[in-house]
Amino acid sequence: AQSVTQLGSHVSVSEGALVLLRCNYSSSVPPYLFWYVQYPNQGLQLLLKYTSAATLVKGINGFEAEFKKSETSFHLTKPSAHMSDAAEYFCAVRRYTGTASKLTFGTGTRLQVTL
Amino acid sequence: DAGVIQSPRHEVTEMGQEVTLRCKPISGHNSLFWYRQTMMRGLELLIYFNNNVPIDDSGMPEDRFSAKMPNASFSTLKIQPSEPRDSAVYFCASNKLGGSETQYFGPGTRLLVL
Repeated sequence: AQSVTQLGSHVSVSEGALVLLRCNYSSSVPPYLFWYVQYPNQGLQLLLKYTSAATLVKGINGFEAEFKKSETSFHLTKPSAHMSDAAEYFCAVRRYTGTASKLTFGTGTRLQVTL
Repeated sequence: DAGVIQSPRHEVTEMGQEVTLRCKPISGHNSLFWYRQTMMRGLELLIYFNNNVPIDDSGMPEDRFSAKMPNASFSTLKIQPSEPRDSAVYFCASNKLGGSETQYFGPGTRLLVL
């Protein structure tokens, strides 16, 4: 069965610093992987996704993630944090049963950005 | 284009009352998902539909919860009777079968059961 593990429930960075949010996956088949962001009192919004094409995926708001099969990882990065990046971030993997498809989400990482 | 629409945005009710949450998926999407989000349990998939047919309801916590999708543009999640432990944010999401697999989320309904 496919699953994801997010390391670190809270991450704090200074404005302008590198953002690194970690996600490791478990999958018996080539995975489809996603990063979503949730701002306070809002729904989840897609940041980026990996669907077996390029291993380096660029998303919105300057975020990117690299699929590393050897490490079973899909970490999210941004070179320079901005105050507006403060939010909760969820990694997810697609679970496909042959007739239906659903996403399994990680437990989330709350990103705090300080001055 | 309008995104996923959920109503109400906030609901406060008393224990034992019936609660109905509503969702309108994005036009043209034929998969619909109901999630529940709490601090303790995170984001949980309750049930999902393909072409208005329930596919997997294994996440529905108990018989007090029921969901319907009478047509392609409307779904409801009902809790009867409601209990304080049902307090959570309930999200609806939709996507297109065979498409990009991206799920589009609504803004959620924040439910408080007193």
